[in-house]
Amino acid sequence: DIQMTQSPSSLSASVGDRVTITCRASQRIGNYLNWYQQKPGKGPKLLIHAASTLESGVPSRFRGSGSGTDFTLTISGLQPEDFATYYCQQSHITPPWTFGQGTKVEIK
Amino acid sequence: QLVESGGGVVQPGRSLRLSCAASEFTFSTSAMHWVRQAPGKGLEWVAAISYDGSQRYYADSVKGRFTFSRDNSKNTLFLQMNTLRTEDTAVYYCARESVDWYFDLWGRGTLVTVSS
Repeated sequence: DIQMTQSPSSLSASVGDRVTITCRASQRIGNYLNWYQQKPGKGPKLLIHAASTLESGVPSRFRGSGSGTDFTLTISGLQPEDFATYYCQQSHITPPWTFGQGTKVEIK
Repeated sequence: QLVESGGGVVQPGRSLRLSCAASEFTFSTSAMHWVRQAPGKGLEWVAAISYDGSQRYYADSVKGRFTFSRDNSKNTLFLQMNTLRTEDTAVYYCARESVDWYFDLWGRGTLVTVSS
């Protein structure tokens, strides 16, 4: 199975900051990397698929990049509604579909 | 949208059946999944089913105990969970798979608590 490792596991940031979350796959997955946002008490929401394709309605301050084994989610100009937990997921070699352990973005 | 139901408190070794009602999209052409989240933990993929129910896949942690099925005439998914363990305690989400194998629609989840 492909293992997904996210870092950091949590971070504190202020409104307006630029935030970067990294995700590393245990083997090459091309661009089959997806990012989800989850807020407390709610189901995850797809933000980005295929490493860098923004979902309709997702603000342009979210940006995904990377290929192969190393990927990045960047939020430029953090907004109050962005405080949440973010997960990466690989969909290249399935089953299983595997997720990173999550990165919680908290208010500083 | 997707709406899960059927969660609750159950003793170890007992069974529970979850449902997921789908609406506002063409359910019969969509592969679907269950994903769970233990309290305070991350997301864990549980099971997948093809659009017509002919193919099913399970995580090793539930293989042989859980059965995933669907009724396309009723736009509903089912997860039959047998021989439940305390480690199955989680919020269970159903999710729709897109054409490129990511999950583009999720429900709000239903909580399953396995405890004596």
